[in-house]
Amino acid sequence: GAVVSQHPSRVICKSGTSVKIECRSLDFQATTMFWYRQFPKQSLMLMATSNEGSKATYEQGVEKDKFLINHASLTLSTLTVTSAHPEDSSFYICSASWGVSGELFFGEGSRLTVL
Amino acid sequence: GENVEQHPSTLSVQEGDSAVIKCTYSDSASNYFPWYKQELGKGPQLIIDIRSNVGEKKDQRIAVTLNKTAKHFSLHITETQPEDSAVYFCAATENYGQNFVFGPGTRLSVLP
Repeated sequence: GAVVSQHPSRVICKSGTSVKIECRSLDFQATTMFWYRQFPKQSLMLMATSNEGSKATYEQGVEKDKFLINHASLTLSTLTVTSAHPEDSSFYICSASWGVSGELFFGEGSRLTVL
Repeated sequence: GENVEQHPSTLSVQEGDSAVIKCTYSDSASNYFPWYKQELGKGPQLIIDIRSNVGEKKDQRIAVTLNKTAKHFSLHITETQPEDSAVYFCAATENYGQNFVFGPGTRLSVLP
């Protein structure tokens, strides 16, 4: 299957700082990528849909000014958590759909801890 | 919109036994149903999927069945092994590559 790489896998930051997470499709071009947030022992919560070359579409309740998404190329989408606070600590996962089949592949996830 | 339910939430089986996880969906327009395995601290991994024009699909020890009339689909794992222990998520969508709705997950424990 297709490979989606996410970096960093773990990040610890101080409250008030911003953190950037990268999501790359390694062996295919992804016009659409998705960002999820996952709390412990819970399912995946879709935060936003990232479309190459256009603004991301955010789900209801997700602050677009807090979670900045950029999809500048067909292989890279970034999520920036701005002015992070402890309540933003979570596991963030990206995914990309592959070709006409529409199969969805996930990155390895990034665990953010805000002190 | 689509709603996906998944049962059971936790499942423990003895090594070598079979495990079955069931999901139901609400939107009859959904036509693609993938299953994901998520190990602790990792992203979900696609393990098998099925499309609405097929009733069953098998890949070695893993199989998925789909009943469109009843709007439910199931994951079957035979000859379970300790490395099968993980959280499994089902999903449904009517639009390939978009609008995936995930079930709440099933935590499978395979006891040696």
